[in-house]
Amino acid sequence: EVQLVESGGGLVQPGTSLRLSCAASGFRFDDYAMHWVRQTPGKGLEWVSGISWNSGHIDYADSVKGRFTISRDNARNSLYLEMNSLRTEDMALYYCAKDSRPSIRGGVFDLWGQGTLVTVS
Amino acid sequence: DIQMTQSPSSLSASVGDRVTITCQATQDISTSLNWYQQKPGKAPKLLIYDASNLQTGVPARFSGSGSGTEFTFTISSLQPEDFATYYCQQYDWLSPITFGQGTRLEIQ
Repeated sequence: EVQLVESGGGLVQPGTSLRLSCAASGFRFDDYAMHWVRQTPGKGLEWVSGISWNSGHIDYADSVKGRFTISRDNARNSLYLEMNSLRTEDMALYYCAKDSRPSIRGGVFDLWGQGTLVTVS
Repeated sequence: DIQMTQSPSSLSASVGDRVTITCQATQDISTSLNWYQQKPGKAPKLLIYDASNLQTGVPARFSGSGSGTEFTFTISSLQPEDFATYYCQQYDWLSPITFGQGTRLEIQ
């Protein structure tokens, strides 16, 4: 089955860290760029970070630059998001999303996970 | 950053109606525009990519058009399962990826 499954969310205090994971299955993971997108009731959908198929191109939203680190392990078909210095405004449902193209500038999210909730309080 | 403004923010319609949602970009993004559907408690689902291309498996009653700064998303004949929230999203090279604020489509 083609799917993405996120994990690692939870309740943390401001200033602490959390690592999200996304396990991919059913498609050639190393052919595509991957992204993290978050959603809050107040701010809607917000792109957080993207990583190209070979990790050669990485980008972040300004709101998380310097605090979050995206990475991938193609051998394990897994995507990660290391989140440091968490703030209350980082509280959201975090989705892992597959790009339809190998470059992060492909920007077409054709497969999404179910999301993992991060609560900062 | 390129800002995306959707209108209307919410819309009431009936089964069988033709519905149109617009999305306006603050800069020319050519056709770097996608449309997603999101139902409560579910992840967004890609419907239209590159402004006018129908994603595989998506019913043909969904369509998209436009280029530059003005885009339109249309459902030709609303079905009960179409009541959801719809988002536009741009991916222009010169800006971080951004989404519109969403249009909530409700049953009239």
